[in-house]
Amino acid sequence: QKEVEQNSGPLSVPEGAIASLNCTYSDRGSQSFFWYRQYSGKSPELIMSIYSNGDKEDGRFTAQLNKASQYVSLLIRDSQPSDSATYLCAVNMVRETSGSRLTFGEGTQLTVNP
Amino acid sequence: AAGVIQSPRHLIKEKRETATLKCYPIPRHDTVYWYQQGPGQDPQFLISFYEKMQSDKGSIPDRFSAQQFSDYHSELNMSSLELGDSALYFCASSLATGNIQYFGAGTRLSVL
Repeated sequence: QKEVEQNSGPLSVPEGAIASLNCTYSDRGSQSFFWYRQYSGKSPELIMSIYSNGDKEDGRFTAQLNKASQYVSLLIRDSQPSDSATYLCAVNMVRETSGSRLTFGEGTQLTVNP
Repeated sequence: AAGVIQSPRHLIKEKRETATLKCYPIPRHDTVYWYQQGPGQDPQFLISFYEKMQSDKGSIPDRFSAQQFSDYHSELNMSSLELGDSALYFCASSLATGNIQYFGAGTRLSVL
């Protein structure tokens, strides 16, 4: 079992719809959770960060965290063709070392159709 | 705002050659991370440095080494290159460990 798992893609939604991306993680002690967007051949770009249970909204994006269920999600409202990319869920896992590596899910490829 | 700077952007090497990748973090960021992303894969953590000391080590081959210098820039040295080392190499930086990591544009390494 991977430490961070995302719902299998690819995901295709029409323009203006809500895109829902899901992620589960295995380390119950994890504290920090991130969603990155990555266009093909480009670097990951931070979309959202969330640290406590509940919802966090930023423009068209809403991140949801449920630590009891070890579940993180990202909702994209009013999806635009420019949102078409791979979305990476990343978790900062608790480790014995002092580092804070990110562990990524395999990514969900989103396509927004005009 | 200044971002993470990586050089070179593209690098082509032959098998068994060496390569050096450079990373300049965002000003005032003291922590640097290196990740490797193979084709169709998610980024895999290699190594990180905080205040010029190695802070964490992941799945980095023994053929690779890295360090962080007094000006906080970091270099990833790769020796005896193999075909399987062909990948995108990203550097990220943060202000102290545990904070948000910002990624550079990456270095695309091709080993022929």
